[in-house]
Amino acid sequence: DGGITQSPKYLFRKEGQNVTLSCEQNLNHDAMYWYRQDPGQGLRLIYYSQIVNDFQKGDIAEGYSVSREKKESFPLTVTSAQKNPTAFYLCASMNGRRDNSPLHFGNGTRLTVT
Amino acid sequence: SQKIEQNSEALNIQEGKTATLTCNYTNYSPAYLQWYRQDPGRGPVFLLLIRENEKEKRKERLKVTFDTTLKQSLFHITASQPADSATYLCAPSYTGGFKTIFGAGTRLFVKA
Repeated sequence: DGGITQSPKYLFRKEGQNVTLSCEQNLNHDAMYWYRQDPGQGLRLIYYSQIVNDFQKGDIAEGYSVSREKKESFPLTVTSAQKNPTAFYLCASMNGRRDNSPLHFGNGTRLTVT
Repeated sequence: SQKIEQNSEALNIQEGKTATLTCNYTNYSPAYLQWYRQDPGRGPVFLLLIRENEKEKRKERLKVTFDTTLKQSLFHITASQPADSATYLCAPSYTGGFKTIFGAGTRLFVKA
């Protein structure tokens, strides 16, 4: 089955540690995205990538970093500079060749930092 | 900046009735608008897309309307079922499909 895999489902870290969230897709989609979801708020865009080896900051990129070395993979690193890292993180992809394409989401990683 | 407003209060309806969810946006009209369903602890799943030049779109028991004058989209679920209970997200898209903004969602509970 084609889809997006995020791992792990739950992640616990101590404050001050960097942590990397995995996102892999086998949909052959060009574009990939990272969103953050907090209770009572809409999804907020952290970073997105329209093509391999290129990525752009979203609305809340501070304290995060990404890489796009392969079409299938778009890992997100939450650094110690991110002030409120505890959240639900969602990765998505889109077939950038089709106009008005929907986003395909993974099932998220819930990160808790204490 | 663009704001997307969805009913923050949960919507409770009886099985068999029609659920109507509202999405209002400010400022610019999106090129198209998507609706997603999200279950607890899961990622959103795409349901329907409507373009700015379309008034209405249907898929099985789902119907979406788009009124650019009112800056509003309505999402209807007819003959609702308990399995329809979920959070529904409105997501307008503005530039080339690469920038989609999400509302906070409306939680729907359908009682048997």
